[in-house]
Amino acid sequence: GQNIDQPTEMTATEGAIVQINCTYQTSGFNGLFWYQQHAGEAPTFLSYNVLDGLEEKGRFSSFLSRSKGYSYLLLKELQMKDSASYLCASRGYSSASKIIFGSGTRLSIRP
Amino acid sequence: DTAVSQTPKYLVTQMGNDKSIKCEQNLGHDTMYWYKQDSKKFLKIMFSYNNKELIINETVPNRFSPKSPDKAHLNLHINSLELGDSAVYFCASSGRAEPEAFFGQGTRLTVV
Repeated sequence: GQNIDQPTEMTATEGAIVQINCTYQTSGFNGLFWYQQHAGEAPTFLSYNVLDGLEEKGRFSSFLSRSKGYSYLLLKELQMKDSASYLCASRGYSSASKIIFGSGTRLSIRP
Repeated sequence: DTAVSQTPKYLVTQMGNDKSIKCEQNLGHDTMYWYKQDSKKFLKIMFSYNNKELIINETVPNRFSPKSPDKAHLNLHINSLELGDSAVYFCASSGRAEPEAFFGQGTRLTVV
């Protein structure tokens, strides 16, 4: 089976840096995703890690350690519009495998 | 140029009714999904189809019946709606070249 854990809520200050952690247990692993979801909207893709290490994309970076079953999403220079839920998700081995989501971390940015 | 589109966006109906939600993707993806997001915002997979074939059914009640007439469409029919079916239903698709899933805008179903 697949199990994904991430904190329920986090708060951070505008302009600061925040790290959202995710741990996962999967039977057959083929990648770790991070999605952003604003209230009332669909999830949108942020990043994908299949190999160990850090992937940087503008203000957002994502890290993966397969041996530890651990990932984090790092958001820099936080803006008010970054207030959203951040969903960690993993995929099984086959390209047609299901993508399983964690319960999401609701991030609130304060001025 | 909507990549994954689902209709309707809002659906309010009475208990016991039967309703359908339609989904279409123009990305050329082989795999399509239905997810349910409840009031606690947990996004849970319901079904997955690959090239029109059902590959995942996550112990969803058989009142829910997906149908894929072709690999660009995956519709969801729900019989005998119950209050607990109220949620946002998301359709998504993914392909071999792009591992991530692309989501439709969601259908907010309210059963009264």
